[in-house]
Amino acid sequence: AQTVTQSQPEMSVQEAETVTLSCTYDTSESNYYLFWYKQPPSRQMILVIRQEAYKQQNATENRFSVNFQKAAKSFSLKISDSQLGDTAMYFCAFYVTGTASKLTFGTGTRLQVTL
Amino acid sequence: KAGVTQTPRYLIKTRGQQVTLSCSPISGHRSVSWYQQTPGQGLQFLFEYFSETQRNKGNFPGRFSGRQFSNSRSEMNVSTLELGDSALYLCASSSGQGSSGELFFGEGSRLTVL
Repeated sequence: AQTVTQSQPEMSVQEAETVTLSCTYDTSESNYYLFWYKQPPSRQMILVIRQEAYKQQNATENRFSVNFQKAAKSFSLKISDSQLGDTAMYFCAFYVTGTASKLTFGTGTRLQVTL
Repeated sequence: KAGVTQTPRYLIKTRGQQVTLSCSPISGHRSVSWYQQTPGQGLQFLFEYFSETQRNKGNFPGRFSGRQFSNSRSEMNVSTLELGDSALYLCASSSGQGSSGELFFGEGSRLTVL
């Protein structure tokens, strides 16, 4: 069974600053994907960024980038130039290829962006 | 393209009652999965349907059931409600075939059991 651990329940960052959210996972699988999802207050969960395990290059989406360390089973999210709209719960999630859309989520990190 | 639509958005029930939640996936998506979100347990996988067949099931009691229709719309039902069933129930859709696991979520149905 897979497990996903997010050790930071809450974090705060000032606008325009950079913040890194941590995620570690445990699996014996070799083919998998990792995701960061964002859930703003009272709004739907949306995908922030995706990483394919077989790719060594870290994924980047505008201000969002990941640091994927496969051997260490670590998958952190870096948010640059933080904006007020980044305030949300962030969930790290793991998906084993071919397991019928079942994601395993971490417990989430609540990020507050302040002025 | 319309997103994932869940109804109702909010509902209140009492212990012992049953509830049915509905989910309409993104057009063309054939996979619908359901998750329960609570402050204590986080996001937990309930089940997933693809082409009207349940492909995967989480570790929930038999009181939780679901189905999918030929138009890919899905419903989940919880019978004999318990206080602990109070949660946000999220539906997510995907193409379901050769996918990377990326899911598109609805806004959820918030169930309160009194």
